[in-house]
Parts: sequence; C-alpha cells; structure tokens
Amino acid sequence: DQQVKQNSPSLSVQEGRISILNCDYTNSMFDYFLWYKKYPAEGPTFLISISSIKDKNEDGRFTVFLNKSAKHLSLHIVPSQPGDSAVYFCAALKNYGGSQGNLIFGKGTKLSVKP
Amino acid sequence: DAGVTQSPTHLIKTRGQQVTLRCSPKSGHDTVSWYQQALGQGPQFIFQYYEEEERQRGNFPDRFSGHQFPNYSSELNVNALLLGDSALYLCASSPTRLSYEQYFGPGTRLTVT
Repeated sequence: DQQVKQNSPSLSVQEGRISILNCDYTNSMFDYFLWYKKYPAEGPTFLISISSIKDKNEDGRFTVFLNKSAKHLSLHIVPSQPGDSAVYFCAALKNYGGSQGNLIFGKGTKLSVKP
Repeated sequence: DAGVTQSPTHLIKTRGQQVTLRCSPKSGHDTVSWYQQALGQGPQFIFQYYEEEERQRGNFPDRFSGHQFPNYSSELNVNALLLGDSALYLCASSPTRLSYEQYFGPGTRLTVT
C-alpha cells in the first residue's frame, strides 16, 4: 500500500524551461511534505518543504504547490538548469505530537535537463 | 561542520552472514533514522533512535536491529542476511525540535551474494 506516489519515473525538459514534478498521496493525516534531490552515489538532499496548512511555498527557483482536496503536490523548477538533473523524491511525514515522525517516500522521478 | 557520515561505503556479504553498518550524525543532532533503499525504489523507513532507545519502527523483521551510543552515533545490524537485503542503507539525522528536517548520509551499499 503506497501512501506516496510519483507516477512519472522520468521527465526530460529543455534548459531554461519549467520542470513540473508531481506527487500524489493517500493519507490525509500527513503534516508535512518534502522534496528531496538525489545525485548518484550521494544521499538525498533536502530541497523544499510545505506544511499541510499551506498551499504554496517558494524558495528561489523552486516552488511547491499543495492541493489538499486532491491530495496532490507538485514541484516547479523555473528556469531548469542542467545541474538540476537528478532523481527527485517526494516524501510525507506525520508529526506525532511534537515527536518526529518517519519520512514516507515515493519511488522518485528522474529529471533530465538538456542543454 | 561535517555532515552525516556512514561507514563502510560498500560491503559484500554472503547469505546467512551478519552485518553492522555505522552512522555519525550531523553535529548537534541527537535523532538518527535508518532507511533501506532498494533499486528503483524510494527509501523505506527501518527505525529511529533517540536518547539511545528505538522510538519508532517500520515494517522490517527482527533481523534488523540497531543501537545508539551516548555520542548519538548509531549502528544498524542485520542478521541472517537474505539476497533481498541487498540495498543502499541510508542514515539520516535531525535536531529533535525541528521534526521534519532530516539530513542524509551518502549511504552504505550492501550486496548479499
């Protein structure tokens, strides 16, 4: 039973264009949603997060949108750069009354940005 | 400031053997979580340690056990290795109060033959 789903295994975009990575979830009790970026031979690196009480969070070229009614979030990268080429993981977390919950990850989307 | 470090980088074991993986958290972090990432999958939560105790556990058998030391470093032990245990094992650390910030190490690639 996959609680966090990334249905696109890969995405290819042209440098300078927008990259949109999508993520769906099934558990309405999640408190936070996070995006991680992973290069080969490295651990996942935190990119951006959003609380379940917000619908948008922006950090430079990265914006995450949350649609709670659809249980859907997306990561927008504008403009895309070749260095953005990596695997992107969507993750969700439930906070247990102040103690840290565990991250539940999707399977990832491999983004390729072509020069 | 060193980030999360893990050792060894790679490991090859035989079915039935036992393995110990090590993790040092980022400076100032006291909570350590372990994840297993199989090929083509996202990381899956194994367990989390805080104050030297296992606080949460994912859906992994008892063959997977762990330990946290007073300096917050941690070990993951896997007994009676199966071929299906071949994966990248990731350690993540976080400050207790900031519940969603988890910083990952580079992982240990375990191959079971």
